[in-house]
Amino acid sequence: EPEVTQTPSHQVTQMGQEVILRCVPISNHLYFYWYRQILGQKVEFLVSFYNNEISEKSEIFDDQFSVERPDGSNFTLKIRSTKLEDSAMYFCASSDSGRDLAKNIQYFGAGTRLSVL
Amino acid sequence: GNSVTQMEGPVTLSEEAFLTINCTYTATGYPSLFWYVQYPGEGLQLLLKATKADDKGSNKGFEATYRKETTSFHLEKGSVQVSDSAVYFCALSDRRSSASKIIFGSGTRLSIRP
Repeated sequence: EPEVTQTPSHQVTQMGQEVILRCVPISNHLYFYWYRQILGQKVEFLVSFYNNEISEKSEIFDDQFSVERPDGSNFTLKIRSTKLEDSAMYFCASSDSGRDLAKNIQYFGAGTRLSVL
Repeated sequence: GNSVTQMEGPVTLSEEAFLTINCTYTATGYPSLFWYVQYPGEGLQLLLKATKADDKGSNKGFEATYRKETTSFHLEKGSVQVSDSAVYFCALSDRRSSASKIIFGSGTRLSIRP
């Protein structure tokens, strides 16, 4: 069964460093998402991406964050200068349709745990 | 804004017990409703969904009915197994956004004793 893959599974970084979290969505999907879950808290939406541009972003997704689809398979989340409070599990998801809710099943990866020291 | 509230865990049951995890939502319009499950060390998997009022989603013995009058989507299973131990997330999809982001509840950890 097709799946969303994320790498690395665990990333440790120093405060102020840049990190790039990588995701390979399901190959025929058109919509891509990032969510995060701070330990013990809810899964929160960060950003959605379609047709090579951001469709929607949350308040969390400030200028320190960016997303990119550099080629036909990868979808990345970059944090330019990490803060302690960026420590969380980051989930990538993809779906093959936006408004057609019968098709809008978002498939999630296993997540990348980011630890900022 | 839209939100999801679900019962706090952890919930611990014996095998073959009846399970209910309560979930209520606040939304404008007619959201789609979901239950996601996260097994230890894995990502979020869609367990079941319902896209309109009175729809019943079902999968792996789990069921949930979209109740617009009570704005609820409670998860039930008649006889749980040890393998059902996981974290369960109630969620809704905001139809107004072009890419339909998902809004999650806080999750309920379920542990089943043999």
